[in-house]
Amino acid sequence: DAKTTQPTSMDCAEGRAANLPCNHSTISGNEYVYWYRQIHSQGPQYIIHGLKNNETNEMASLIITEDRKSSTLILPHATLRDTAVYYCIVRSTNFGNEKLTFGTGTRLTIIP
Amino acid sequence: EADIYQTPRYLVIGTGKKITLECSQTMGHDKMYWYQQDPGMELHLIHYSYGVNSTEKGDLSSESTVSRIRTEHFPLTLESARPSHTSQYLCASSEVGGLENIQYFGAGTRLSVL
Repeated sequence: DAKTTQPTSMDCAEGRAANLPCNHSTISGNEYVYWYRQIHSQGPQYIIHGLKNNETNEMASLIITEDRKSSTLILPHATLRDTAVYYCIVRSTNFGNEKLTFGTGTRLTIIP
Repeated sequence: EADIYQTPRYLVIGTGKKITLECSQTMGHDKMYWYQQDPGMELHLIHYSYGVNSTEKGDLSSESTVSRIRTEHFPLTLESARPSHTSQYLCASSEVGGLENIQYFGAGTRLSVL
């Protein structure tokens, strides 16, 4: 699976959009980009994923650059409950590749 | 929200005890996983299963064992707990056949062995 690079920490004001970047310059054609978050002491929560196109769901939007070497997770109206560590994961879905490698992630703090 | 449940949420036991951590999911997923995570550290895959009667070891060697007798249930057992087993244990599940293979996690069991 391709390596990802994320900022260690970010702050965002409550009610504003939180934009979390991720670099994955070695991504290959069959690898998806996934975003999870982990709130202190809880299990990771799936947020969104994509292959090439931008994606949106009820939680967030995912913007993937045309060359797929980077992506941005957007939380449109951040709330205090969005304070968590956010993980960008790049992973192929080949048979036998079961492990999710979370890395160090970005610690997002929402400021009241 | 994912329908995957882990019990207990917290467990404090003495050395040498046998314990079973329970994990159940109601999504009909065939694949299930156990990860181990120390505070502030990365998740390590310790066991996974492709379906009933299938169990595989993950990347991190573990003294625990798992069983998969029913699709919805994937318990993890430690025959004789030791302080080195103190950690958070996370269970996850995903569909077989979907290209994306999204894993959904339970809330975790935080184990402390004294």
